[in-house]
Amino acid sequence: QSALTQTPSASGSPGQSVTISCTGTSTNVGGYNHVSWYQQHPGKAPKLMIYEVNKRPSGVPDRFSGSKSGNTASLTVSGLQAEDEADYHCSSYAGSSWVFGGGTKLTVL
Amino acid sequence: EVQLVESGGGLVQPGRSLRLSCAASGFTFGDYAMHWVRQAPGKGLEWVSGISWNSGSIGYADSVKGRFTISRDNAKNSLYLQMNSLRPEDTALYYCAKGRHLVLMDCFDPWGQGTLVTVSS
Repeated sequence: QSALTQTPSASGSPGQSVTISCTGTSTNVGGYNHVSWYQQHPGKAPKLMIYEVNKRPSGVPDRFSGSKSGNTASLTVSGLQAEDEADYHCSSYAGSSWVFGGGTKLTVL
Repeated sequence: EVQLVESGGGLVQPGRSLRLSCAASGFTFGDYAMHWVRQAPGKGLEWVSGISWNSGSIGYADSVKGRFTISRDNAKNSLYLQMNSLRPEDTALYYCAKGRHLVLMDCFDPWGQGTLVTVSS
């Protein structure tokens, strides 16, 4: 069982927006602004998409955005594209350690 | 271009040991924290261990504490994970990941392609 809770699956049609949530506790998500999101295509290594709750690394489209409220962080993908179909993993610093969610499989219909 | 290349994985019997290595290039290795993250087949990601730029701060997941040891050699641009008393539940693809800054608090970017560890009799 993962320390952070993500819904196993999400879906949307091309052009739509989808939001994936990640729920933790005050000892991880709620206690630090070091929440990050990773995209993982099948057979590939994870790729950083969002860090420090809502910051995008260079090269990540602005269709990807992050937010946090209390113990829950969210990743929103706007203007869905076929290449966004992947697994998305959230992660949070937890004081000398890191925890992950179980991952959300995003399907583009 | 940042490159992280893991090696050392393989098939090992329960209770035995294995040492993973990660060769880094394309950046000043000694300026960044480094991490090991694993992914069991068909499962999510699990942070295993992290080490700060100067080895002054080290962390482990509870699941590996006392069995695994992380280390680094900044002169050789290399990260290591010594895994002892291996269990079947340690079976996973082990990724080496670069931290964004010096300390453990920052996230993982980028990741290597991973090395597979299978623990089975």
